[in-house]
Amino acid sequence: AQTVTQSQPEMSVQEAETVTLSCTYDTSESDYYLFWYKQPPSRQMILVIRQEAYKQQNATENRFSVNFQKAAKSFSLKISDSQLGDAAMYFCAYRSLGGGADGLTFGKGTHLIIQP
Amino acid sequence: SAVISQKPSRDICQRGTSLTIQCQVDSQVTMMFWYRQQPGQSLTLIATANQGSEATYESGFVIDKFPISRPNLTFSTLTVSNMSPEDSSIYLCSVKAGGPQETQYFGPGTRLLVL
Repeated sequence: AQTVTQSQPEMSVQEAETVTLSCTYDTSESDYYLFWYKQPPSRQMILVIRQEAYKQQNATENRFSVNFQKAAKSFSLKISDSQLGDAAMYFCAYRSLGGGADGLTFGKGTHLIIQP
Repeated sequence: SAVISQKPSRDICQRGTSLTIQCQVDSQVTMMFWYRQQPGQSLTLIATANQGSEATYESGFVIDKFPISRPNLTFSTLTVSNMSPEDSSIYLCSVKAGGPQETQYFGPGTRLLVL
């Protein structure tokens, strides 16, 4: 079974600064998807960014980018120019590609605090 | 993308009773998922529900406790049966949509408190 590890229970960053959230995973599969989800206090899960394992290029969505290191099984999220609205729980998630196991495996989450 | 609604948004229930949570999607989807998020914890997959077939449950979750219905391609229900305080959680419905993008979208969740 796959596992996802987020080693930082909480991170704090000054507004407008850059922060990196860490995620590692364990799998024997070669093809899969990785995701970062944001869960603000409203509890709504919001997709931040997605990475396909077969793509070497790191995904980018505006201020959000990932550093995907497939050999190291590492998938970190970088948030540039942090804003107060970025404050939330961030979950890293893994999904197998096919084979019927389409649910997501989540890490325990990182609570991101934005200091004004 | 997909817009997902859940009912109820929250409820307080007595132990020993059952609650059925509804999930409605604004488009037809093959796969729907039910997750549980216990207080202060991450999300754990309960089961996968495909229309026209029995739901597939993850280890630690059984049909007698969490029966699921999937009558059509836009709707599903999850019942939490014979509830105990340990069932107090947020229950989230999720769907896979977007064609090749295959992204999972989540509903707003149902916050359940069992007394």
